[in-house]
Amino acid sequence: AQTVTQSQPEMSVQEAETVTLSCTYDTSESDYYLFWYKQPPSRQMILVIRQEAYKQQNATENRFSVNFQKAAKSFSLKISDSQLGDAAMYFCAYRSIETSGSRLTFGEGTQLTVNP
Amino acid sequence: AAGVIQSPRHLIKEKRETATLKCYPIPRHDTVYWYQQGPGQDPQFLISFYEKMQSDKGSIPDRFSAQQFSDYHSELNMSSLELGDSALYFCASSGRLVHYEQYFGPGTRLTVT
Repeated sequence: AQTVTQSQPEMSVQEAETVTLSCTYDTSESDYYLFWYKQPPSRQMILVIRQEAYKQQNATENRFSVNFQKAAKSFSLKISDSQLGDAAMYFCAYRSIETSGSRLTFGEGTQLTVNP
Repeated sequence: AAGVIQSPRHLIKEKRETATLKCYPIPRHDTVYWYQQGPGQDPQFLISFYEKMQSDKGSIPDRFSAQQFSDYHSELNMSSLELGDSALYFCASSGRLVHYEQYFGPGTRLTVT
């Protein structure tokens, strides 16, 4: 079974600064998907960014980018120019590539605080 | 854009009662997923359906059952409720074109007293 670990329960960043959230995972599969989801105080789960394991290029979505290190099984999220609205719980998630309906396996989450 | 709809948004039940949660996926999405998120925890996968057939099954208690209907909406039925069932229940959906991306509904907050 796959496992996802987020070793930083809490992180803080100053507004307009850059912060990196860490995530490691364990799997025996060679192809899979990785995601970062954001959960603000409203508790809504919002998809931030996705990475396909077979792609070497790191995914980027505006101020959000990832550093995907497949050999190290590491998948960190970098948030540039942090904004107050970025404050939320961030979850790293793994999904098998195999079948439709495959589950997401989440890490424990990192609570991000953005200081004005 | 249309999102996943869940109803009800809040539900209060007593121990040993039954609850039914409903999920309406994004139009043209054929796969639904159910997750349970306890206080201070990450979402835990319960069960999923693809084209009305069970696709993947997680740690769903035997007291819970779910199904997907012909219009692709799904219902999670929970019986003999326990205090520990109090949680936020998410439904997510995915479509054929980008089947690996799951989009979450706002969740149903279930409180068992």
